[in-house]
Amino acid sequence: QKEVEQDPGPLSVPEGAIVSLNCTYSNSAFQYFMWYRQYSRKGPELLMYTYSSGNKEDGRFTAQVDKSSKYISLFIRDSQPSDSATYLCAMSVSNQGGKLIFGQGTELSVKP
Amino acid sequence: DSGVTQTPKHLITATGQRVTLRCSPRSGDLSVYWYQQSLDQGLQFLIQYYNGEERAKGNILERFSAQQFPDLHSELNLSSLELGDSALYFCASSPGTVNSPLHFGNGTRLTVT
Repeated sequence: QKEVEQDPGPLSVPEGAIVSLNCTYSNSAFQYFMWYRQYSRKGPELLMYTYSSGNKEDGRFTAQVDKSSKYISLFIRDSQPSDSATYLCAMSVSNQGGKLIFGQGTELSVKP
Repeated sequence: DSGVTQTPKHLITATGQRVTLRCSPRSGDLSVYWYQQSLDQGLQFLIQYYNGEERAKGNILERFSAQQFPDLHSELNLSSLELGDSALYFCASSPGTVNSPLHFGNGTRLTVT
């Protein structure tokens, strides 16, 4: 079993839809949670960064962490075709020097 | 632009050969991370350096090695290459503090024929 599980999709939605992306994890020591966006032929780009449980909002993006359920989510409101990319969740433990463990990534396509 | 520079962008080589991938971190970042991304395995952590010293090691093969130089750039050396080593290799950097996120370069695409 992988430490971090993420549905690879692909996920296809119409423009303007609310998108929900999720990851589950097994290591209760994870404390830092991130979402990265990766466009084709590019490196992962940091979208959201949260510590421990709770919500964080940045524009159209909201990240949620539920440590009791070992479950994190990323919501994208009013999705745009430019949001079409692969979304990767990532997590780290404080005593491992910042090493990130990634989910498999979910491929998202937003259709005009 | 993340500020992390990786060269070359593409590399095509034959089995059994050796290649070197180069990474320049963001200005001010002391820590460099190497990741391998393949279709079936996703992003896999290989190794981390902090200010010239190895800090953490992942599932890095013995045929692979890395180092970080005094000017903080890093090189990943891959030797005795096999077809299965074909992948995207990413470098990331961070200031190195425990809660600092990683910023990634655009990777080197390695094709072994």
